[in-house]
Amino acid sequence: EAGVAQSPRYKIIEKRQSVAFWCNPISGHATLYWYQQILGQGPKLLIQFQNNGVVDDSQLPKDRFSAERLKGVDSTLKIQPAKLEDSAVYLCASSHLNYQETQYFGPGTRLLVL
Amino acid sequence: KQEVTQIPAALSVPEGENLVLNCSFTDSAIYNLQWFRQDPGKGLTSLLLIQSSQREQTSGRLNASLDKSSGRSTLYIAASQPGDSATYLCAVLSGTYKYIFGTGTRLKVLA
Repeated sequence: EAGVAQSPRYKIIEKRQSVAFWCNPISGHATLYWYQQILGQGPKLLIQFQNNGVVDDSQLPKDRFSAERLKGVDSTLKIQPAKLEDSAVYLCASSHLNYQETQYFGPGTRLLVL
Repeated sequence: KQEVTQIPAALSVPEGENLVLNCSFTDSAIYNLQWFRQDPGKGLTSLLLIQSSQREQTSGRLNASLDKSSGRSTLYIAASQPGDSATYLCAVLSGTYKYIFGTGTRLKVLA
């Protein structure tokens, strides 16, 4: 069974530029999560989708971050414009049905904002 | 507000030693607790998931216990190996229906 795929793996941009990350969850997984992990900290949930609907986006900085999950499969996370403090690893995870099950994580996208 | 703390932040042990990693949380009303492993430059791998009604879970050389009343969980690693070197994170699922992660324990097992 293929795991969670993410791209790109690394991205370097200058502040005020825009960037997009892509995630393909495990086939058949209804729930998809985007986390932000700042160096030395644990991951923080940005947004959770159930199929193509948003379940929780309470910690998503909506003035600059946006995310979508078209057709309940792939998802993209966008930052526009980026700030220095957005430098982090962005992790995508999926679970079969809901938040009470094991989450499977992708390798992450490491973002550096200069 | 749920807060999760992991102690120690870093640990270095010789190969073959049994060790315990600690996780504490402030709100005992949880649905479950997971222990994850994170290797440098990689995502997280779920090791053990303990439901709120359970006291422990075991997988190979790993044993995780949960004491909700005291707000604590421990991850026991038996006969540690250099391949166990990684960061270990615990995460708690509680009333907000999202996992709150600790900052992790960086483990180094010396050959």
